[in-house]
Amino acid sequence: QQQVKQSPQSLIVQKGGIPIINCAYENTAFDYFPWYQQFPGKGPALLIAIRPDVSEKKEGRFTISFNKSAKQFSLHIMDSQPGDSATYFCAASIGNSGYALNFGKGTSLLVTP
Amino acid sequence: DVKVTQSSRYLVKRTGEKVFLECVQDMDHENMFWYRQDPGLGLRLIYFSYDVKMKEKGDIPEGYSVSREKKERFSLILESASTNQTSMYLCASTTSNQPQHFGDGTRLSIL
Repeated sequence: QQQVKQSPQSLIVQKGGIPIINCAYENTAFDYFPWYQQFPGKGPALLIAIRPDVSEKKEGRFTISFNKSAKQFSLHIMDSQPGDSATYFCAASIGNSGYALNFGKGTSLLVTP
Repeated sequence: DVKVTQSSRYLVKRTGEKVFLECVQDMDHENMFWYRQDPGLGLRLIYFSYDVKMKEKGDIPEGYSVSREKKERFSLILESASTNQTSMYLCASTTSNQPQHFGDGTRLSIL
């Protein structure tokens, strides 16, 4: 069964908008939560990651918000650009990033000009 | 820069054939993984390996096997290919406290 639930399945925003992608998990042993970005014809690439000891992490225009009590985390993309159009996957694992990741089903994001 | 190379971008095989998908990484990573990616299902873990000659089943190992004879190479084997194994296959590698690095995938079609 899917251990990480991701929504929405697809998202369309205008340039400059703030798309938000949400993920939820059940296994409280998960302690590493990365987000991957995938462009067509390419493998996923790590975008940003968080551990449950912090509630928010920012890297450039990308922000992860983490709610440990609700077992939810989300990705916000500030000032989105057409070049951000891609598929985004959240994931979770036990231990560090060297262990097997449990992925969400992915969100296809389209940023229109 | 980490490079994970999958030997074929596209592969077409027939039902019942034995199929080998090869993956090579150049960063001396201990851990290697095989996922399949299907629309609406995300990435699902097939097998992984934490060391040479070691393997662990992932979430969907049925119909697959793996081989890791050398640290840099991790092979996925479809013992008798079936049409429901038509998919995108992604290989990844990592070491402790490093993110998983993915190859660009092999799109496999079983006719």
